[in-house]
Amino acid sequence: NAGVMQNPRHLVRRRGQEARLRCSPMKGHSHVYWYRQLPEEGLKFMVYLQKENIIDESGMPKERFSAEFPKEGPSILRIQQVVRGDSAAYFCASSPKDTQYFGPGTRLTVL
Amino acid sequence: RKEVEQDPGPFNVPEGATVAFNCTYSNSASQSFFWYRQDCRKEPKLLMSVYSSGNEDGRFTAQLNRASQYISLLIRDSKLSDSATYLCVVMDTGRRALTFGSGTRLQVQP
Repeated sequence: NAGVMQNPRHLVRRRGQEARLRCSPMKGHSHVYWYRQLPEEGLKFMVYLQKENIIDESGMPKERFSAEFPKEGPSILRIQQVVRGDSAAYFCASSPKDTQYFGPGTRLTVL
Repeated sequence: RKEVEQDPGPFNVPEGATVAFNCTYSNSASQSFFWYRQDCRKEPKLLMSVYSSGNEDGRFTAQLNRASQYISLLIRDSKLSDSATYLCVVMDTGRRALTFGSGTRLQVQP
């Protein structure tokens, strides 16, 4: 059973470009979560989704960030017009219920 | 005040030592508690869930004190491979979002 998969593992963008991060949950898991870890800081919750629904987006920045989990395909975290402060590790997790299992993360670097 | 507070360490201990980490949380409505470990630049990995009755998994023992809003992790007979950052994590009632502490760094030395 493959774990949570994320791609790309490393992403470099210039200021003003768009970043798209993808997450495929573990087989059988219908809950997906996105977290961000800034350098030298702890993980911070961003958004919780189930198929085709955003359940809790209380941790999402109000502008430039969006997330989706379509009926088919991976969950996508989209960051528009990236700024240097968006440089971080973005981790996706999935769960069957309460216990969350994390993917390897995408390291975003904004130049 | 942070929602989940941990001593950042580092804790430098020799192999074979017993080491204990503590964590406090501010929201009395928190319902689920976990310890995760995170190796440098890697994803967090679940170490164990924490129950009110206390639970043990091999060399690891976790305790929860709801009245004091306090969680602990005890590692016995430390191994070099235990070197990592240990994250105290809580989940609030009615939500699925995890709240992470900043982590306690452990370095086990030969």
